[in-house]
Amino acid sequence: DAGVIQSPRHEVTEMGQEVTLRCKPISGHDYLFWYRQTMMRGLELLIYFNNNVPIDDSGMPEDRFSAKMPNASFSTLKIQPSEPRDSAVYFCASSLRGLGEQYFGPGTRLTVT
Amino acid sequence: AQRVTQPEKLLSVFKGAPVELKCNYSYSGSPELFWYVQYSRQRLQLLLRHISRESIKGFTADLNKGETSFHLKKPFAQEEDSAMYYCALAMGQGGKLIFGQGTELSVKP
Repeated sequence: DAGVIQSPRHEVTEMGQEVTLRCKPISGHDYLFWYRQTMMRGLELLIYFNNNVPIDDSGMPEDRFSAKMPNASFSTLKIQPSEPRDSAVYFCASSLRGLGEQYFGPGTRLTVT
Repeated sequence: AQRVTQPEKLLSVFKGAPVELKCNYSYSGSPELFWYVQYSRQRLQLLLRHISRESIKGFTADLNKGETSFHLKKPFAQEEDSAMYYCALAMGQGGKLIFGQGTELSVKP
């Protein structure tokens, strides 16, 4: 297994544009997490899914952010419209039965100019 | 409120010296704590969890409920230990994790 896969690895976009980040969890894992990492706020949980259903989205900063998981092997995090303060590294992670150990993807470094 | 605090942003030691990375937590329930590590250009990965009570790469961590701490220790640091270390608290079902701000460990030759 290649582990959690994220794409793109780097994204540079202009303010106001739509950004879509993608994640493929480890096969068989039933929990998927999206995190954002910034120097100021560290690693923050944005949202997580169990069996493709969003369980807790209390960390999603505002309505410009949305996340979907249409099937067990794919999830997206969308920002529309993007703003410079959204610049961060976005991580996806998955786990089996939510047992605490999470497997992280390599992250997507987003820069909004 | 639930919180994980890592008071040191940077810890610099010489090779062979003892290392202690501090972690304190605030949680009203029964805590489940982890240490994650991120080596340069690698993914964030689990280092150890308190319930397993094992030593990984020479590191150990003991949960002290009285002091609400979960400090990470290693008696003799190696250069390859240089990395970012994150303490994390799992909350409730689903394993939702709250991370500390992280401590960068730099081990000098």
